[in-house]
Amino acid sequence: RKEVEQDPGPFNVPEGATVAFNCTYSNSASQSFFWYRQDCRKEPKLLMSVYSSGNEDGRFTAQLNRASQYISLLIRDSKLSDSATYLCVVNELGSGNTGKLIFGQGTTLQVKP
Amino acid sequence: EPEVTQTPSHQVTQMGQEVILRCVPISNHLYFYWYRQILGQKVEFLVSFYNNEISEKSEIFDDQFSVERPDGSNFTLKIRSTKLEDSAMYFCASSPDQGYGYTFGSGTRLTVV
Repeated sequence: RKEVEQDPGPFNVPEGATVAFNCTYSNSASQSFFWYRQDCRKEPKLLMSVYSSGNEDGRFTAQLNRASQYISLLIRDSKLSDSATYLCVVNELGSGNTGKLIFGQGTTLQVKP
Repeated sequence: EPEVTQTPSHQVTQMGQEVILRCVPISNHLYFYWYRQILGQKVEFLVSFYNNEISEKSEIFDDQFSVERPDGSNFTLKIRSTKLEDSAMYFCASSPDQGYGYTFGSGTRLTVV
């Protein structure tokens, strides 16, 4: 089973749409969770951390369900500039692990005019 | 905003040659990492480095790979004898603490011919 699993998409949506991405992770001991954004052939950039209580940053809302090992990202009012690949990322801490990041394969979003 | 700087941005090398990829992490960060991304695939962990020694390494990080922090600012990844399958984007990252999302450098695209 893949450690971090995402639907690769692509998701093609019109400007202004609301789009949701989901992700599951296999290691129940995982401790920190993130969404990163990656533009074509560029480095991953931290979009937001994900907390069990849910957190919001402008048009972006992230949610974590530890019981189901499930992470989500909601983007409201999509902009053309939101077109990118969204990476679900898990940080495995503890047991001598130095906090390496485990990446999903990413979900591609294309926002059309 | 502080940056992680990587050089060169692109390197082409012949199979069997040694390459050194260079990184300057953010100055007050304590944890350093190398990741790689083969074209079209997910980002993969290579190695973590803390307190001047390797903390953890993946199966990819075999005897052909080594890391060094020679002068307290630079952080290098050496591949001793490159193979065609080493062609990838190599990202350096740093973090102030294990549980934080990391800051990634813009990457070095390594092409082995």
